[in-house]
Amino acid sequence: EVQLVESGGGLVQPGGSLRLSCAASGFTFSDHYMDWVRQAPGKGLEWVGRTRDKANGYTTKYAASVTGRFTISRDDSKNSLYLQMNSLKIEDTAVYYCARGGAQPYYQYAMDVWGQGTTVTVSS
Amino acid sequence: DIQMTQSPSTLSAFVGDRVTITCRASQSISSWLAWYQQKPGKAPNLLIYKASSLESGVPSRFSGSGSGTEFTLTISSLQPDDFATYYCQHYDSYPLSFGGGTKVQIK
Repeated sequence: EVQLVESGGGLVQPGGSLRLSCAASGFTFSDHYMDWVRQAPGKGLEWVGRTRDKANGYTTKYAASVTGRFTISRDDSKNSLYLQMNSLKIEDTAVYYCARGGAQPYYQYAMDVWGQGTTVTVSS
Repeated sequence: DIQMTQSPSTLSAFVGDRVTITCRASQSISSWLAWYQQKPGKAPNLLIYKASSLESGVPSRFSGSGSGTEFTLTISSLQPDDFATYYCQHYDSYPLSFGGGTKVQIK
């Protein structure tokens, strides 16, 4: 079964840091681009960022709202995706989802598999 | 950056109704558009990709159309399981972005 499972969410003070993880199973993780998407309470979906695959140099892209504060990485040997969040702000409070993107040759593809999400609360 | 605008933001309909949701992009995105369904407390679920391609396992009452800047999601006969929030998303260029969502409610 194709599955993504996020972990690492919790309560953190403004200015603090948190690292989210996403464990993948049931597919060849290393072949795929991977995304993080978040949803603030009662709000819509917001794309956070993406990591490309090894063939594309593991390069990353980010939304302007998190650039310079968040870092996406992956460990293909562990089938895992990570989101390091630093300098957290109250407005970063959200459910964070990891999602599977495209794979060669169809890199330009929608997010077809999603995790169940992990909740991050930034509050003093 | 490309902005995605959905309308309406809320829609009330009866079971059996034909429902259409519109998504507009601030510039041309060719056909690089997806539609997702989200139910409360759950992750989004991909319905349509590349504007009009039905994702495997999605009922055929869902269909998508459009290209360039104007797109529609149509539910041909609304079922009780379809009451949810729907989002469009472009993947033409970075940053990726979502529309604001359309909540489909029971009338």
